[in-house]
Amino acid sequence: DQQVKQNSPSLSVQEGRISILNCDYTNSMFDYFLWYKKYPAEGPTFLISISSIKDKNEDGRFTVFLNKSAKHLSLHIVPSQPGDSAVYFCAASRTTSGTYKYIFGTGTRLKVLA
Amino acid sequence: EPEVTQTPSHQVTQMGQEVILRCVPISNHLYFYWYRQILGQKVEFLVSFYNNEISEKSEIFDDQFSVERPDGSNFTLKIRSTKLEDSAMYFCASSEGGRGAGELFFGEGSRLTVL
Repeated sequence: DQQVKQNSPSLSVQEGRISILNCDYTNSMFDYFLWYKKYPAEGPTFLISISSIKDKNEDGRFTVFLNKSAKHLSLHIVPSQPGDSAVYFCAASRTTSGTYKYIFGTGTRLKVLA
Repeated sequence: EPEVTQTPSHQVTQMGQEVILRCVPISNHLYFYWYRQILGQKVEFLVSFYNNEISEKSEIFDDQFSVERPDGSNFTLKIRSTKLEDSAMYFCASSEGGRGAGELFFGEGSRLTVL
């Protein structure tokens, strides 16, 4: 049961251009979403989050957009830098039901070309 | 900057042996988690822990698994009798808040190899 999906396993972008990573979810009860970045042999590192009461959240070069009707969120990185090359995971949770777990997508490997 | 630390970084064990993975969460955090990632697959939730008891666990977290906070700083995951399919990277995480809100801070992971 894949409740959080990242349909693109990999993405290559030229340095300086925009990277757009997509994530779809099936559970309409999810109301809090996060993006994590992961380098090989390291733990995931938190990037940015968004609550379902918003449709956009921005932090420096990173912006997350949420389309609740489409059950879709995206992470925009602009401008992309070679150091952004990593695997990006989206994660979702329900804050209202007392659950304490995040459901992760399968990840998208971003490669930023110099 | 405060961080979650995990030991060992890599453990190799024989099938059927017990393994304990250790974690020191961030000191003012109240919620603790174990996740795992089988090579090439997604990060999967195992268990969450708050106020000295399990808050939620996944179907993966069967009777072979247990968690404990033996003192004020450590948070451990025990696998009683390891199976080949337990080979994975195990990540400990902690958060200030619970209920799925607030960022999780992950450790660097413990790689478990079961032979």
